[in-house]
Amino acid sequence: AQTVTQSQPEMSVQEAETVTLSCTYDTSESDYYLFWYKQPPSRQMILVIRQEAYKQQNATENRFSVNFQKAAKSFSLKISDSQLGDAAMYFCAYRSLSSGYSTLTFGKGTMLLVSP
Amino acid sequence: DAGVIQSPRHEVTEMGQEVTLRCKPISGHNSLFWYRQTMMRGLELLIYFNNNVPIDDSGMPEDRFSAKMPNASFSTLKIQPSEPRDSAVYFCASSQGRRGTQYFGPGTRLLVL
Repeated sequence: AQTVTQSQPEMSVQEAETVTLSCTYDTSESDYYLFWYKQPPSRQMILVIRQEAYKQQNATENRFSVNFQKAAKSFSLKISDSQLGDAAMYFCAYRSLSSGYSTLTFGKGTMLLVSP
Repeated sequence: DAGVIQSPRHEVTEMGQEVTLRCKPISGHNSLFWYRQTMMRGLELLIYFNNNVPIDDSGMPEDRFSAKMPNASFSTLKIQPSEPRDSAVYFCASSQGRRGTQYFGPGTRLLVL
């Protein structure tokens, strides 16, 4: 079974600074997706960014970008120009595409604190 | 376009009562997922449906939990009888096709006293 590990229970950053959240995963498969979801205090799960394993180019969405290292099974999220609204719990998730049906496997999450 | 809709948003009930959580997936999505989130266990998949058919219910904790999807636009998760350890946030998510991204509803916060 696949596992997703987020080794940082909590991270802090100041407004306008850059922060990187770490995620590693364990799989023997070659075809999969990786995701970062954001969960603010409202509890809503919001998709931040998605990476397809077969793509070498790192995904970017505005201030959010990933560093995808397939051989190392690493998938970190970089948030540039941090804003107060970025404060939330961030979950890394893995989705297998090797079988017909597949679901998400989540890490335990990293709480991001943003200070003015 | 409306996202995944869940109701109720909050539910407080007493131990032993029946609880029914509802979900309306995004129109056109053919996969539906029920998750439970607790502090101790994080996010856990309970069950998922594809084209209204339950595919994997191995995450359902015990026989007190049941889920149905009578049509493509509606699903329920029922707990009978409820227990305090069922207190959690329950999420519904939906996606389209094998490579579709899962989009989550706002969740139902359940408290069983």
